[in-house]
Amino acid sequence: GAVVSQHPSRVICKSGTSVKIECRSLDFQATTMFWYRQFPKQSLMLMATSNEGSKATYEQGVEKDKFLINHASLTLSTLTVTSAHPEDSSFYICSARGRAISYNEQFFGPGTRLTVL
Amino acid sequence: AQSVTQLDSQVPVFEEAPVELRCNYSSSVSVYLFWYVQYPNQGLQLLLKYLSGSTLVKGINGFEAEFNKSQTSFHLRKPSVHISDTAEYFCAVSHTGTASKLTFGTGTRLQVTL
Repeated sequence: GAVVSQHPSRVICKSGTSVKIECRSLDFQATTMFWYRQFPKQSLMLMATSNEGSKATYEQGVEKDKFLINHASLTLSTLTVTSAHPEDSSFYICSARGRAISYNEQFFGPGTRLTVL
Repeated sequence: AQSVTQLDSQVPVFEEAPVELRCNYSSSVSVYLFWYVQYPNQGLQLLLKYLSGSTLVKGINGFEAEFNKSQTSFHLRKPSVHISDTAEYFCAVSHTGTASKLTFGTGTRLQVTL
C-alpha cells in the first residue's frame, strides 16, 4: 500500500517551453503533497507544500510563477515548470501524506528527471 | 527551526562488515526521525522511523537505528552489509505537529565492495 507514482519519469525539453509533471497517490487519499528538487549528489530541497483544494505554500526562494503547483484532487498534484531554462534541469520528486495512513509519514514518488536544452 | 547533520558524505565498507551512518539533529521541540534510502535515479524508500516509545528502532533490510535524545543523534546501523546496500542514505527530521515538513540531511553515500 501507499504507492505514489510520477509521470513522466524523464523529460527533455527546449529552453522556453513549459513542462508538466504529475504526481499521483495510487491507493490512498493524499491530503498533503510535497514537491522536492534534488541536484546531482545533493539532498532534497523542499520547494512547496500543497493541500487538496487550496493554494500551495512555497518555500523561501522558490518562484511561484515559475513553478506552478496544482492539487485539484485527493490523488493528483501537478508541477508545471513554466518557460524552462537549463538551470531548471534537475530531479524532481514528489511525496504524499494521507490522514488515514501512517501518521506523519511521507510516501515518495520515483522522481522525474528534467533536462532543459 | 530544525536541522540535520550527516557528517560522513561517503562511507566505504567491505561486504559482510558492520556499518554505522551518523545523524545528528537540532530542534527546540519534539521531533520525529526518519532514515530513507535512495538508489540511483529513484525516489526515496523509508528504512525506519522513530515516532515515540522504544529508542531502538528496527527497519527493513536488517537496518536499525537508536534515538539518543541527550546526544540528539539517530545513527543508522547494520551488522553485516551486502553489495546491494550500496546507495545514498538520508536522515530526516520533522516536528511532531501534523502539518510538519521534513528536513533532510545532506546524505551519506554507502559504498559496499567485495
